[in-house]
Amino acid sequence: ILNVEQSPQSLHVQEGDSTNFTCSFPSSNFYALHWYRWETAKSPEALFVMTLNGDEKKKGRISATLNTKEGYSYLYIKGSQPEDSATYLCAFPRAGNMLTFGGGTRLMVKP
Amino acid sequence: GAGVSQTPSNKVTEKGKYVELRCDPISGHTALYWYRQSLGQGPEFLIYFQGTGAADDSGLPNDRFFAVRPEGSVSTLKIQRTERGDSAVYLCASSSQGGAGGYTFGSGTRLTVV
Repeated sequence: ILNVEQSPQSLHVQEGDSTNFTCSFPSSNFYALHWYRWETAKSPEALFVMTLNGDEKKKGRISATLNTKEGYSYLYIKGSQPEDSATYLCAFPRAGNMLTFGGGTRLMVKP
Repeated sequence: GAGVSQTPSNKVTEKGKYVELRCDPISGHTALYWYRQSLGQGPEFLIYFQGTGAADDSGLPNDRFFAVRPEGSVSTLKIQRTERGDSAVYLCASSSQGGAGGYTFGSGTRLTVV
């Protein structure tokens, strides 16, 4: 059984705060790690696909790092805005390319 | 189409009824996945199609759940004798690459069993 865990479960921040959350995953047989942003009533939106240990990817104010040896990835949001409010999901592909998701971090940014 | 389309977006049904949820993937994507997201949890895998065949249905919770993809494009998830515990958001995704490639998700069907 693959355990993909995310923390915290939820987070409330003020507009302008920077924040980060964690995804932990099995470090053996690593293939890739996916990050998604999921706003209510919309499709989960792919943020990053990370494959190499030490990877750091950036998309606007959002960035992510990857440590495959210890089995964790961090997602950072710099200067949070209300439109960043969403659930952030990480996912780990397994045999057949099915994704095993973490429970998500629900971010709420107050204006 | 431009994206993955799921219909209906919302479905309210009475306990014991039968429901069908439809997924129209991106044209040309051979892989199609169904996931279910219950309140407070991450999406959980249900079934994976490669072309017309179900390559892995190990995530279907019981025999009330069934899915088809007869022509390798549109897929229908069928739930018989619905129970209140089936209430969830049902997500569909398609992919041409899978794994390290990209998955495109639909916006889901929110099923409420009353």
